[in-house]
Amino acid sequence: NAGVTQTPKFQVLKTGQSMTLQCAQDMNHEYMSWYRQDPGMGLRLIHYSVGAGITDQGEVPNGYNVSRSTTEDFPLRLLSAAPSQTSVYFCASSYSPPTGYLSTDTQYFGPGTRLTVL
Amino acid sequence: DAKTTQPTSMDCAEGRAANLPCNHSTISGNEYVYWYRQIHSQGPQYIIHGLKNNETNEMASLIITEDRKSSTLILPHATLRDTAVYYCIVSSAGKSTFGDGTTLTVKP
Repeated sequence: NAGVTQTPKFQVLKTGQSMTLQCAQDMNHEYMSWYRQDPGMGLRLIHYSVGAGITDQGEVPNGYNVSRSTTEDFPLRLLSAAPSQTSVYFCASSYSPPTGYLSTDTQYFGPGTRLTVL
Repeated sequence: DAKTTQPTSMDCAEGRAANLPCNHSTISGNEYVYWYRQIHSQGPQYIIHGLKNNETNEMASLIITEDRKSSTLILPHATLRDTAVYYCIVSSAGKSTFGDGTTLTVKP
């Protein structure tokens, strides 16, 4: 059971380039999400998905796209990279969405992707 | 969304109990309180969660006040490896909001 895996671990892009950050989980979790963490700050939600074929925006969605074609995978696409997108990106999954009303909302996080945009 | 308030930083001596407070005065009656921690540069790690009753697991204890407006995470015997940022989360509307958390530094 690998849990949540993310690739690549590190990436350097030039302004304007596009790329896809990969996230996969093998726990059959319905809920998956992407966060970004800027230096010295907390995590901010980018996009999330409550199941295959369903995605929605978090608090900082601009400049990012997501899709969820399978339960296991939840890739994050940067359309045209900007220096403001330099950050560490974390993917997370849980059995159920974090409604706050269930004890099965525990989120499991991947190791992160460290992205630098020059 | 229920908001949480935590101190920015705390220190604790190795071997002592670390008590990390969290205020969540707008929490609704059925919302759980979750605690996570993030050790330097790693992904956040689940610690414990609770609704009304105090909870204990192999990592920590969670004390929730009777009015549920605040809680305290207790690490009974802090070690240097417990140095991390600790997040108190009250989720709602399908989203978890991670604030800045409390940076706990365990000192020898």
